[in-house]
Amino acid sequence: DAGVIQSPRHEVTEMGQEVTLRCKPISGHNSLFWYRQTMMRGLELLIYFNNNVPIDDSGMPEDRFSAKMPNASFSTLKIQPSEPRDSAVYFCASSETDFYTFGSGTRLTVV
Amino acid sequence: AQKITQTQPGMFVQEKEAVTLDCTYDTSDQSYGLFWYKQPSSGEMIFLIYQGSYDEQNATEGRYSLNFQKARKSANLVISASQLGDSAMYFCAMRENFNKFYFGSGTKLNVKP
Repeated sequence: DAGVIQSPRHEVTEMGQEVTLRCKPISGHNSLFWYRQTMMRGLELLIYFNNNVPIDDSGMPEDRFSAKMPNASFSTLKIQPSEPRDSAVYFCASSETDFYTFGSGTRLTVV
Repeated sequence: AQKITQTQPGMFVQEKEAVTLDCTYDTSDQSYGLFWYKQPSSGEMIFLIYQGSYDEQNATEGRYSLNFQKARKSANLVISASQLGDSAMYFCAMRENFNKFYFGSGTKLNVKP
């Protein structure tokens, strides 16, 4: 089992550019979550999917953020246009029942 | 109200001693789960231990145990015989309905040699 796979591990981009973060959940897990972690705000749930359907996106900070899950094995989180305050570590996690498994995260720096 | 409260931003413990990391939670659900995760400096989130709200016995996993006091809504993590490798951030989390998780602000544990 390869675990939850996120790419890229690190991303540095200029303000105004589009950024796409990718996540491959564990096979068989029916829920997928996107979190953002910053020093100031800790771990924030951005959005989660159940059976590929977005259930709760109330944590998405602005319209600049969007997430998709076109199939059970892939999800993206897109920021367009990116801003310096979007700099954070973005985690993807998947679960089947009670347990989350986190990916290694993507460290995003917007300069 | 905060769903998960961790009141200790930082803790120090001497190697080989036990340490308790505090966590209180707030929910009106009857069925919920409580979790602890470890985040070392490398950044990954590592699952440590789980307690279901209907579990009568405290969960244990090796050197980790969860002191579950339902009436007080607390779920403290106890690490016995601390090791240098235990130095990390520790997050308490709660799952309510639809698998929605809430995380605390974390406790940074430093184990001193």
